[in-house]
Amino acid sequence: GAVVSQHPSWVICKSGTSVKIECRSLDFQATTMFWYRQFPKQSLMLMATSNEGSKATYEQGVEKDKFLINHASLTLSTLTVTSAHPEDSSFYICSVRDPGPRYSNQPQHFGDGTRLSIL
Amino acid sequence: GQQVMQIPQYQHVQEGEDFTTYCNSSTTLSNIQWYKQRPGGHPVFLIQLVKSGEVKKQKRLTFQFGEAKKNSSLHITATQTTDVGTYFCAGRSSGGSNYKLTFGKGTLLTVNP
Repeated sequence: GAVVSQHPSWVICKSGTSVKIECRSLDFQATTMFWYRQFPKQSLMLMATSNEGSKATYEQGVEKDKFLINHASLTLSTLTVTSAHPEDSSFYICSVRDPGPRYSNQPQHFGDGTRLSIL
Repeated sequence: GQQVMQIPQYQHVQEGEDFTTYCNSSTTLSNIQWYKQRPGGHPVFLIQLVKSGEVKKQKRLTFQFGEAKKNSSLHITATQTTDVGTYFCAGRSSGGSNYKLTFGKGTLLTVNP
């Protein structure tokens, strides 16, 4: 079954609206979750690393005030696209790192993604 | 920063033909992972390679990690229509922090039945 649940799967909204996307780890507690953005037929671009109980780590070029991340519990991280504009339209995917020894190399489990369309 | 290059970008084969995608990193990797994304779906973890020169097999799929831990390949023998999708490599630099992975651009494989 699914390891990660991402909701909603599809959002269409007007420019200027803020959109919240949820990512839930279903099988285990996740201290670290990742948020990616993927343009059509392109690779996954890491936006930020969500850390439970602390501030997210954003990648270079990603506006932290634009993409608000909250990781309030060990099973839930949220990404809020604030005042969304058409250029924010994309496919957003979260992932959860498989539990393992600290600093070990573990696979990531991805959610089904959220297709965001801003009109 | 770290860059992961993957070729080819697209590959179209006849069912039964072999397929290979190659991945090269600008820095030495501590590990490399391979994912498959079906059209309209999300990436699914396939395998992880950690050791220099490592070779792993999963049925018709063969994964290799270079001796210098800077390149990797995925080879599919006798492709089937179920192999259709985009194959991504993803690596983490040696000494990298926070488990961050850098993904290649992916290779889209289409198979003609």
